[in-house]
This record gives sequence, structure tokens and C-alpha cells, in this order.
Amino acid sequence: QQPVQSPQAVILREGEDAVINCSSSKALYSVHWYRQKHGEAPVFLMILLKGGEQKGHDKISASFNEKKQQSSLYLTASQLSYSGTYFCGTYYSGGSNYKLTFGKGTLLTVNP
Amino acid sequence: DVKVTQSSRYLVKRTGEKVFLECVQDMDHENMFWYRQDPGLGLRLIYFSYDVKMKEKGDIPEGYSVSREKKERFSLILESASTNQTSMYLCASSLIHQPQHFGDGTRLSIL
Repeated sequence: QQPVQSPQAVILREGEDAVINCSSSKALYSVHWYRQKHGEAPVFLMILLKGGEQKGHDKISASFNEKKQQSSLYLTASQLSYSGTYFCGTYYSGGSNYKLTFGKGTLLTVNP
Repeated sequence: DVKVTQSSRYLVKRTGEKVFLECVQDMDHENMFWYRQDPGLGLRLIYFSYDVKMKEKGDIPEGYSVSREKKERFSLILESASTNQTSMYLCASSLIHQPQHFGDGTRLSIL
């Protein structure tokens, strides 16, 4: 069962902030975040391994709420280069060690 | 840097043909994956392999098979291509629970 991402799409002006959520009905072991620009391969952003852990680099960060089985990706002071489709991928607790299940993606468009 | 190379960026085949998509990685990763990407559906796992000659079905294996004879190479096979298999196919590799590294994808059209 795929994790549910919200929103499906978001449009920002440069400098604005955005939050993308990834929710699961099953207990999570870890959450991966990827970004895919148009016509390119998905690129890894970060992994969250523990409940409550926050990670980030530059102006993109993420949190993992183990109790809610939810992860959120935070993009602050967005830049044009942030445009793309963001995917979360989840490993489930007690599930396969190999199978990463991706959400349907969130299309982020940053305009000047 | 990890390099995952897919043999073709674009491929056009006819209905009923046997189609081979090849993927090679250069980082000695145990795990390799084949995904299909369609608009609005995200990345859906077709098959994965966690060791040479070991494979497991993903979420949408019907109509596909795979082969992994060497650690660095993972092939996706469409036994008898059909028009509903027209899609973008992405290969990835990783260590266990580590980031997946994707190839550039093969856009396959079945006519």
C-alpha cells in the first residue's frame, strides 16, 4: 500500500515556503525523500530513520513523527531550482528489508 | 559517484515482441530494482533483486520477468509486449536500507 502524499501539487513564488506531507497507515521503519526534475532521474534528498528525527541540508529539511506515521518535508525560502516532483518512499516496520514503497508524488512549481 | 546506466533512453517496439531493458551499476550494490513510472501513479515497483540470481516480485510484476546473472547487471524482460506496457522504466540500485540511485530511465513505446 502506497504512502499518501499531500498536497498533490503546489505553486509558489520564489522565496515562499512549502510543506509536503507523507502519511502511512502502517508502522514505518524509515522514510526517504527524493526529488525528480522534469526529464531527469529521481535524486535522493534525505533519509529519516528514527521517530521524531529531523534532518536537513541547505533550506530543505524533514521530520518524522513515528506516532503519527507521518513525515513532512519543509522547503523554506524556495528557489527556482526547487521545482520538480517530490516523492517519499517508505520502509515498513516488520516488512521487507528491500522494498521501498513510493508515494504518488507532489509536483512543486516555483515561479519568479 | 554511483553510476546506474540504462541501455536505451528511448525504445519503440511492436506488440507481441520480446523486449529486453538492460541496467548496469558500478558500485557493487547488492540490491537492484525496476520501477515503472506513469503520470499520477508515482513509482511502482515491478521486480527487485537482492543478490545474484535472487529476485522477488514487486507490486506490478504481471507481464514482466527479470534476470540477474551478474551482480552489476539487472535485466527487465517483457515476454510479449502489449500497448499497456508503454511507459517510463527506471532502474535503481542500493545497499540495504540506503539511498537508491536511479538510472536516467528508458521511455518505452509499444505500437
